[in-house]
Amino acid sequence: ETGVTQSPTHLIKTRGQQVTLRCSSQSGHNTVSWYQQALGQGPQFIFQYYREEENGRGNFPPRFSGLQFPNYSSELNVNALELDDSALYLCASSFSPGDRGSERFFGPGTRLTVL
Amino acid sequence: GQNIDQPTEMTATEGAIVQINCTYQTSGFNGLFWYQQHAGEAPTFLSYNVLDGLEEKGRFSSFLSRSKGYSYLLLKELQMKDSASYLCAVRPTYSGAGSYQLTFGKGTKLSVIP
Repeated sequence: ETGVTQSPTHLIKTRGQQVTLRCSSQSGHNTVSWYQQALGQGPQFIFQYYREEENGRGNFPPRFSGLQFPNYSSELNVNALELDDSALYLCASSFSPGDRGSERFFGPGTRLTVL
Repeated sequence: GQNIDQPTEMTATEGAIVQINCTYQTSGFNGLFWYQQHAGEAPTFLSYNVLDGLEEKGRFSSFLSRSKGYSYLLLKELQMKDSASYLCAVRPTYSGAGSYQLTFGKGTKLSVIP
């Protein structure tokens, strides 16, 4: 059984650029949630995908968008990068949105630095 | 709105016991999580409480009182490797899209000293 994986590990971009982050869910999981964790803060919910549809969104602007593929892997896209987008981006997978034990399995994260 | 409070920092001695408190005010409640996070790494799941009472798992225990909006994480026989941030997170209501998200506190940075 493979765990949640994310790529890339680290990324450096400049303001105004676009970035795509990737997440492969744990085997058997069909739900992926994305979180942003700024330095010294707790993670903040961006959105969740379930069976290729967005299933809830946090307080993030539309330039944060996502996709989920038939194999349940997921992408997070951020357009028009701002300095405040510098953070650790985490994804978590679960068997279903209603899985009461979901968010137990976080990936290692992608560290995004915007210059 | 959602609000979760934890102490910012704590220091404890190797071999001792430490209790990290978490208070929350959320729109509904459907479970509370504790995570351990070492610097630069992803959070690692420690415990999940949905009913009142104490859940024990080895050196770690977590307590929940829903009526008081209060939880604590108890770490026994502290080891140097326990130096990390500890995150409290609450899942608010259990209905509708987006209700499965977690709301996290800012975390408590625990330093274990010899």
